[in-house]
Amino acid sequence: EAQVTQNPRYLITVTGKKLTVTCSQNMNHEYMSWYRQDPGLGLRQIYYSMNVEVTDKGDVPEGYKVSRKEKRNFPLILESPSPNQTSLYFCASSSNRGGGELFFGEGSRLTVL
Amino acid sequence: AQRVTQPEKLLSVFKGAPVELKCNYSYSGSPELFWYVQYSRQRLQLLLRHISRESIKGFTADLNKGETSFHLKKPFAQEEDSAMYYCALPATYNTDKLIFGTGTRLQVFP
Repeated sequence: EAQVTQNPRYLITVTGKKLTVTCSQNMNHEYMSWYRQDPGLGLRQIYYSMNVEVTDKGDVPEGYKVSRKEKRNFPLILESPSPNQTSLYFCASSSNRGGGELFFGEGSRLTVL
Repeated sequence: AQRVTQPEKLLSVFKGAPVELKCNYSYSGSPELFWYVQYSRQRLQLLLRHISRESIKGFTADLNKGETSFHLKKPFAQEEDSAMYYCALPATYNTDKLIFGTGTRLQVFP
């Protein structure tokens, strides 16, 4: 089944404790992206990657890092999480053909205390 | 700057009533617009795109360039339509990047 898989789905952590949210897709998509979803603000892009070893900042990259060593994986790293990073995070992928259809993961709900 | 505006945070209707979820955009050129839907506890998924001109689950959306709108409509709402709806358009500098509106929650009461 074609899908985008994120882990963990739920996480509670404390300020400053590094964490990684993994994202994997099995559709051979070149493009991958991370969004955060906050009430009243909708979806905001954090980082994106056009292909392996090619990443760039989105609209709200502060406090996050990403890497794209393999085509299928695009982990989101919070080096020193803070409470304002409490949010629902979505990974998404698409082919580089454009057309705009993004395939989303199920989301990872992160709480930083 | 490109922008997608969804003016309603919440829209509540009764089953069988018509629904219109508003979306306005700012974009230079000919935009390609999308509606994504997020049902409770599920991932976001594409509902429809204007370029395909199709009706999905009874929903349609017409691009009105004069009013820069792409409202989502359904003549008779069903309870299973209750969800979060996002309007989106691609960034001009990166067509794989979608710019989303803030979303409208549709509640359909029995």
